Amino acid sequence: EPEVTQTPSHQVTQMGQEVILRCVPISNHLYFYWYRQILGQKVEFLVSFYNNEISEKSEIFDDQFSVERPDGSNFTLKIRSTKLEDSAMYFCASSRQGADTGELFFGEGSRLTVL
Amino acid sequence: KQEVTQIPAALSVPEGENLVLNCSFTDSAIYNLQWFRQDPGKGLTSLLLIQSSQREQTSGRLNASLDKSSGRSTLYIAASQPGDSATYLCAVDIGGYQKVTFGIGTKLQVIP
Repeated sequence: EPEVTQTPSHQVTQMGQEVILRCVPISNHLYFYWYRQILGQKVEFLVSFYNNEISEKSEIFDDQFSVERPDGSNFTLKIRSTKLEDSAMYFCASSRQGADTGELFFGEGSRLTVL
Repeated sequence: KQEVTQIPAALSVPEGENLVLNCSFTDSAIYNLQWFRQDPGKGLTSLLLIQSSQREQTSGRLNASLDKSSGRSTLYIAASQPGDSATYLCAVDIGGYQKVTFGIGTKLQVIP
């Protein structure tokens, strides 16, 4: 069964360092997303991406964050200068269609720990 | 701003019981509602998706209902099993490119 894959599963970094989280969405999906979940809190929307551009982003997704689809398969989230509060589980998701019909499929997540 | 609430926060039942998890949302103008399962430290597994025009969806022992006008959804699990133990999340799509709002989840424990 097709699945969303994420790497790394866990990354530990020092505050101020750049981090890139990688995702391979399901191959015939067109919409891509990043969500995050701080320990013990709700899953929060960060950004959606369609047709090689950001469709929507939340207030969390500030200038320190960027997303890219560098080739036909990968979808990346970059955090330019990590802060302690960026420590969270980051989930990539994809859907074949957009709103009204699009079931979201999530990866296993990348746990980011900022020291 | 859409708010999603899930009650109860935690639930412990003996194996074999039928149970209902509740989800409420403040803005009824939704595109769809999706129920997920999350095991500790793991990703989210989609269980059921209900479109805004639908009233319910079923998959195996799971049945999810949607009442948009009252801003409520329920997830019914029949004949619960220890393997059902997980956190169940309700997520509401308010439109656009799936800007989805999640509830905090209900942590279910099924005791053998």
